[in-house]
Amino acid sequence: DADVTQTPRNRITKTGKRIMLECSQTKGHDRMYWYRQDPGLGLRLIYYSFDVKDINKGEISDGYSVSRQAQAKFSLSLESAIPNQTALYFCATGGGSTDTQYFGPGTRLTVL
Amino acid sequence: DQQVKQNSPSLSVQEGRISILNCDYTNSMFDYFLWYKKYPAEGPTFLISISSIKDKNEDGRFTVFLNKSAKHLSLHIVPSQPGDSAVYFCAASPAGGTSYGKLTFGQGTILTVHP
Repeated sequence: DADVTQTPRNRITKTGKRIMLECSQTKGHDRMYWYRQDPGLGLRLIYYSFDVKDINKGEISDGYSVSRQAQAKFSLSLESAIPNQTALYFCATGGGSTDTQYFGPGTRLTVL
Repeated sequence: DQQVKQNSPSLSVQEGRISILNCDYTNSMFDYFLWYKKYPAEGPTFLISISSIKDKNEDGRFTVFLNKSAKHLSLHIVPSQPGDSAVYFCAASPAGGTSYGKLTFGQGTILTVHP
């Protein structure tokens, strides 16, 4: 079984809709992250969390919110989706004293 | 402001030859560097990393070189194999503490290894 899972894997939605992307991990890591990937821009950090009570904005948090429901679960919400939020979204985890992160398989989101 | 840059969008190499992927950074606070590999429809996979106290780190066919004065790092793959064909991202992180895992990624380089 995968250590970091994301649901759904693909989602098509309409402008203005609220959507939630979910991430679960079995690695026992404290730190969790949400990134988006756009062509030519690499991965950019949206939000990150060092533990259940700690949430931090990343580079591009506008239009997004997150919830850390448990150590193993970190969800990303788009309150009112817009077309330029069409992208690949990745969840990642990290633990211990290393900066290495472990990524989920990604969610392809299309906002029409 | 792109703090981590991979200026080559793509690289094509013959099987068995060396692949060299390059990455430049501008933030002198970065002190830990990583390379990730990404296949289509999968998440990035950690490949190799290097701390700023080193100038070279080797793991099998993969070697990362760091030139701090030039703010440049490179990934060498020797020998290259068709299965290495993927997108390669370099990433950088400042010193630890509350900055753990605040990775800044480059744009990626598409490596194609031809049989």
